Amino acid sequence: EAQVTQNPRYLITVTGKKLTVTCSQNMNHEYMSWYRQDPGLGLRQIYYSMNVEVTDKGDVPEGYKVSRKEKRNFPLILESPSPNQTSLYFCASSSADRAYGYTFGSGTRLTVV
Amino acid sequence: AQSVSQHNHHVILSEAASLELGCNYSYGGTVNLFWYVQYPGQHLQLLLKYFSGDPLVKGIKGFEAEFIKSKFSFNLRKPSVQWSDTAEYFCAVTLSGTYKYIFGTGTRLKVLA
Repeated sequence: EAQVTQNPRYLITVTGKKLTVTCSQNMNHEYMSWYRQDPGLGLRQIYYSMNVEVTDKGDVPEGYKVSRKEKRNFPLILESPSPNQTSLYFCASSSADRAYGYTFGSGTRLTVV
Repeated sequence: AQSVSQHNHHVILSEAASLELGCNYSYGGTVNLFWYVQYPGQHLQLLLKYFSGDPLVKGIKGFEAEFIKSKFSFNLRKPSVQWSDTAEYFCAVTLSGTYKYIFGTGTRLKVLA
C-alpha cells in the first residue's frame, strides 16, 4: 500500500530536549515536505526537499532542521524544542510534477511543556 | 507574497443543502489547484485537482470545483451535502516554476443531520 509513515503519532516532551520525528514514504517520490497545522492558521510549510541532499526552507523554518540522505526518508529535527512548537505536524510527499497532489502521513501531535 | 484565501472559516449546513466554499489565490503565473479534505482526527486527503483543460473538475464523493482564471478563484461545490461531509476543507496552490505549495487556512464544515 502506498503510504507516508510518520512516527511517533503523539509525543510529549520538555523544553530543550532534542527530538526527531521520522517520515518515510514507499512511493519513490522525489518531493517531500513538512507542515505544521495550528488552529486558524491552516498548514504552514516548514521545510521541503526536492530530492536527496536537496532541501529548502518553507515559511516557518525557525527552530527546525531536516535532512534527506535517502530518497524515502525525511526526518524533522527539533534541536531545542520550545512551547511555541506545540502543534500538529504532517509529513507529505509527491512526485516531482505533483500531478497527483500530496500523500500525507497520519500526523504527529507534539506537546512541548 | 503569494497567498491562498479561504474566506469562509466556519460553515454550518443542514443535510441536502448545497455547498460552495470559496478559494482565491494571489499569483500572476501558471498555477495548479487542489482541494483537500481532513475528516476529524485524520490526515488530509486529496478531493480534486486542476492542472489544465476543462475548468470544471469533478472529484471524489460528488464534489466539483470550477477554476475561473479571471477571478483567481477555485471554488468547491457540492449539490447536496451529507452528514459525513463534516470535515475541514483546504484549498492549495502550487506555483509553476517553483517548489512552493501553499495552503489556505481551511474551512470547517459542519453538516447537521
